[in-house]
Amino acid sequence: QQQVKQSPQSLIVQKGGISIINCAYENTAFDYFPWYQQFPGKGPALLIAIRPDVSEKKEGRFTISFNKSAKQFSLHIMDSQPGDSATYFCAARSRSGYSTLTFGKGTMLLVSP
Amino acid sequence: DAGVIQSPRHEVTEMGQEVTLRCKPISGHNSLFWYRQTMMRGLELLIYFNNNVPIDDSGMPEDRFSAKMPNASFSTLKIQPSEPRDSAVYFCASSLSVGELFFGEGSRLTVL
Repeated sequence: QQQVKQSPQSLIVQKGGISIINCAYENTAFDYFPWYQQFPGKGPALLIAIRPDVSEKKEGRFTISFNKSAKQFSLHIMDSQPGDSATYFCAARSRSGYSTLTFGKGTMLLVSP
Repeated sequence: DAGVIQSPRHEVTEMGQEVTLRCKPISGHNSLFWYRQTMMRGLELLIYFNNNVPIDDSGMPEDRFSAKMPNASFSTLKIQPSEPRDSAVYFCASSLSVGELFFGEGSRLTVL
């Protein structure tokens, strides 16, 4: 059962453009929504995270938008750069007990020069 | 500071052989996770330890897979016998309680 659905599977954006990756979840118990960035040959690393009490969080060129009623959240990368080319994973974690992260399947982003 | 350390980085083995992957978590972290990454299934949680105790092993595919954490600074994931469908990148991650996950660089396993 896939609890976090991520789209698109891959994305090509021109340098300077906006990259948008979307995720949807089903479990209303989720209360923490991070995005991880993974470069080839490396492990994923935390990029930015949001909790459902806010609708948006911005860190530099990276913004998470969160829609609690629609159970959707998205990552926006403004002024995309070739160095942003990586695989991006959304994730979610519930507040119950020993909770663990459930990851989306990932989006391969290529920013063309 | 040293991050999560995994070994080996690459392993090529033949079907039926035993494979042991190793992980040293970040010092002071009390939670350790083993994930498997494939193109088809993405990142799958295999097992989760808290304070060296296995909490959730529901993601372990079958009895061929086993994991141990004998102390706070070492964990192993063993596959015996290995099969070609086990080919994947295996990640170990650690965290302080339910905080940020820190991943190692992964162990790429190829079973011929």
